[in-house]
Parts: sequence; C-alpha cells; structure tokens
Amino acid sequence: AQKVTQAQTEISVVEKEDVTLDCVYETRDTTYYLFWYKQPPSGELVFLIRRNSFDEQNEISGRYSWNFQKSTSSFNFTITASQVVDSAVYFCALSGTLQGAQKLVFGQGTRLTINP
Amino acid sequence: DTEVTQTPKHLVMGMTNKKSLKCEQHMGHRAMYWYKQKAKKPPELMFVYSYEKLSINESVPSRFSPECPNSSLLNLHLHALQPEDSALYLCASSQGRVGTSRSFGPGTRLTVL
Repeated sequence: AQKVTQAQTEISVVEKEDVTLDCVYETRDTTYYLFWYKQPPSGELVFLIRRNSFDEQNEISGRYSWNFQKSTSSFNFTITASQVVDSAVYFCALSGTLQGAQKLVFGQGTRLTINP
Repeated sequence: DTEVTQTPKHLVMGMTNKKSLKCEQHMGHRAMYWYKQKAKKPPELMFVYSYEKLSINESVPSRFSPECPNSSLLNLHLHALQPEDSALYLCASSQGRVGTSRSFGPGTRLTVL
C-alpha cells in the first residue's frame, strides 16, 4: 500500500523565517513520483514540483527548495525567508506506477501560517 | 490556455434537488478527475476518466453521476444528496501518462441543506 505522512499538522512562523515542511512516504513501487501542492484559502490546488524516484537531485526554485532522500523515504520542502503570501495548506503526494498509477495519494497536509 | 475552469463556484441545494457541476480544460489533457475535499482534509479521489472512458470509480454512491461528453468537458450530476455531501468538489486534468502532474480547478463549494 502507498502512504504519505505529513507529521506537522500546523506550523506558524514569523515572516522572513525559514521553514521546512516534512514529508515521509511508503511505497513498494521501484518507480514512483512525488509531488508538492499548495492550497491557498481560495481553494485551488497549485502544483509546485514533481520528482521521480530516479532523480535524487535537490531542487531550488527561488525561495523554495526540495530535499529528496530515498534512504529515508523523505521529500521535504523548505521555504527560505518566508512571506505572508506563503500562508496556505501544503500537500505532499505520491503516485506509483504499478499499483493505482492513476491515483494520487495525498498526505494530510500542513497548514502554514506566516505572521507579519 | 493552461487552466481548468469549474462552474459554479458556489452551490446551495436541497436534498431533493438535481444539479450539475461542470469542469472544462483546453490543455489537450486526456485524463480528468473528480475529487471531494472536506474541511481540513486532503482531497479524496471520486472518479477518473481516461480518454473519455470511466476508468476508476472509488465506490462513490450513485447519487453522484459523472459524465464526460468529450475530452475537454467533465460533469458531475448530483441527485438526492445528503448534508454530509457538503464539501469542496475539485476537478483536475492531466496528460494521462504515468507520473504526470494534475492541474486542478478552483473547485465548487457545495452546501446541501
């Protein structure tokens, strides 16, 4: 079975602080894909990044960076110099290739609040 | 055009009403999805259409009836809903290949009285 765990239910920081959102996954597939989505109060899920299981290179996009470690089955997301506009619920998700390839398994989400 | 649109944005209906949610995308995506999201929970998959054919039904009650008239449109027909069906209904699309990301619409916030 596939599973995604986001242990942090809520995080609250002051603007300009760095914050890391944790994501741990379980899968038996050797090829799989990991995603992060952002859901602001408006409701729409915004795609942030996709990683396949063979690409362990970390990625940086502006203030956002992602650390993928297969050895610990983790795909953590760091926001540097956080801003109020980063306030949202963030979901980590997993898609396999053998079992339920059309399904996207979401974690429970982390509600991030950036205070001015 | 790189977005998924959904109408209406908000819908209030009684338990005896019949209504429909509509979703449209013009990105040439061949897979379309309906998700249901309750407050403070992740989206739950309801249905998947692949190349206009229903490929996954996650044991959704028959009071929800999906329809895919063509590759750009996806409808969700609602009939005799219960108050517990009140939720945010999200439509998504993807290229359909394994591992591709979904593009989500803004959702329809449904309230059943």
